[in-house]
Amino acid sequence: GAVVSQHPSWVICKSGTSVKIECRSLDFQATTMFWYRQFPKQSLMLMATSNEGSKATYEQGVEKDKFLINHASLTLSTLTVTSAHPEDSSFYICSETHTSTDTQYFGPGTRLTVL
Amino acid sequence: QKEVEQDPGPLSVPEGAIVSLNCTYSNSAFQYFMWYRQYSRKGPELLMYTYSSGNKEDGRFTAQVDKSSKYISLFIRDSQPSDSATYLCAMSAGGGNKLTFGTGTQLKVEL
Repeated sequence: GAVVSQHPSWVICKSGTSVKIECRSLDFQATTMFWYRQFPKQSLMLMATSNEGSKATYEQGVEKDKFLINHASLTLSTLTVTSAHPEDSSFYICSETHTSTDTQYFGPGTRLTVL
Repeated sequence: QKEVEQDPGPLSVPEGAIVSLNCTYSNSAFQYFMWYRQYSRKGPELLMYTYSSGNKEDGRFTAQVDKSSKYISLFIRDSQPSDSATYLCAMSAGGGNKLTFGTGTQLKVEL
C-alpha cells in the first residue's frame, strides 16, 4: 500500500495567494523527504531536500523564499507556494527515502492551478 | 550531455508483446538503479530496484543492469493495456544521494 500521502490532490487558487501542500509519511518515519515539480510531458525536477528539524536544501534556481518548506516532524513535510503566479501551475510531488535501499517512494502528487 | 539518457517515445506495441525499455548513463558512481511507472496525473510508482549489476525478475517484469556498458533495461513480458504509462529510470550513487531521473518513455499497449 501507499507509504506517502499528499494533500490536497488538486488545488486552484488566484494569483497572489499562497498555497500549502502537505506530504505525510504513512509507514515510516522519513527523516528525509524530497519535493519535485513536474510539467506536462516532462520528467521530475527536484526542487529541494527536506530534513526533519533542519532547513531544507534547495536546488539551484529554486527560490527558497517562494517555495517554503517545513519539516517539523518525522512524518510531515509541507511545501508552501507563496504569492503564486500562473507560471507556478504544475504537478508537485513529494517522496520519502528509504536509506536501507536508497530508493524513494512517491506521493500521489498535487496538481496546482493558479488563475 | 545529460547524465541519464532515455528515449521519450512514444512507444506503441500490441497487447502480448515483449517491451524493452532502456536507459544509458555516464556517471560511473551510480550503484542503485530503479524503474518507476507513472500513470497520467499520478505520482511515480516503484516497479523494480536493483543494486549494482545483474538481473532481477518480478512477475512479468525483468530489470537488467550492465555497469560495464552503463546501460540498464526493463523488459515487460505479455504486455497489457494496463501497462500503458510513462516509465522512468532512476539511479543514485547511494548514501542517501539524490536520484537522477531519465526523461521517461511513454508506452502505449494497444488491444
